[in-house]
Amino acid sequence: GDSVTQMEGPVTLSEEAFLTINCTYTATGYPSLFWYVQYPGEGLQLLLKATKADDKGSNKGFEATYRKETTSFHLEKGSVQVSDSAVYFCALRNAGNMLTFGGGTRLMVKP
Amino acid sequence: DADVTQTPRNRITKTGKRIMLECSQTKGHDRMYWYRQDPGLGLRLIYYSFDVKDINKGEISDGYSVSRQAQAKFSLSLESAIPNQTALYFCATSTSGTASYEQYFGPGTRLTVT
Repeated sequence: GDSVTQMEGPVTLSEEAFLTINCTYTATGYPSLFWYVQYPGEGLQLLLKATKADDKGSNKGFEATYRKETTSFHLEKGSVQVSDSAVYFCALRNAGNMLTFGGGTRLMVKP
Repeated sequence: DADVTQTPRNRITKTGKRIMLECSQTKGHDRMYWYRQDPGLGLRLIYYSFDVKDINKGEISDGYSVSRQAQAKFSLSLESAIPNQTALYFCATSTSGTASYEQYFGPGTRLTVT
């Protein structure tokens, strides 16, 4: 079945550091890929998406590129802020239009 | 006001008790979902409903049941709670169209079974 694998956290960075959170997937066909973010005490919210190979999703300074050849969708940000501290989930949408989530990666940004 | 609300926000219960978690939405979405979140395991789908008369089991439905009372309401029941059902539970909604990938989540219910 479909699966999503993320790097284990927590990831601890200083403010203005460069962020990468790795995500790889296994799926049949050509899934759409997403990053969701969960701020403390809240539910998940969609951060960005990519629906086909080589698409780049971007939002709030975060970017991720859909790499079909490496089945990856790594999340990056050039300069993180304390307010980016959250749990980040990579997800894919399969042919049945259901989402499969990765295990989540906690990011902690220190001032 | 929040678009997706969950009650209660926190609940502690004993093994063997029946408990219901409730979800309401004002987004007008047809689809509703229940997930549980465990550390390191991400979110796992328990049940989902594409409309009031269409309810489906998800990945981990054993030990749970649901009721879609109206388009806006979707309840999750644990008939006889057990400690390994201790988790954070989320309700979510989405449209039924091409943007159904974007799910809108409630704030979660933290359930502890002792």
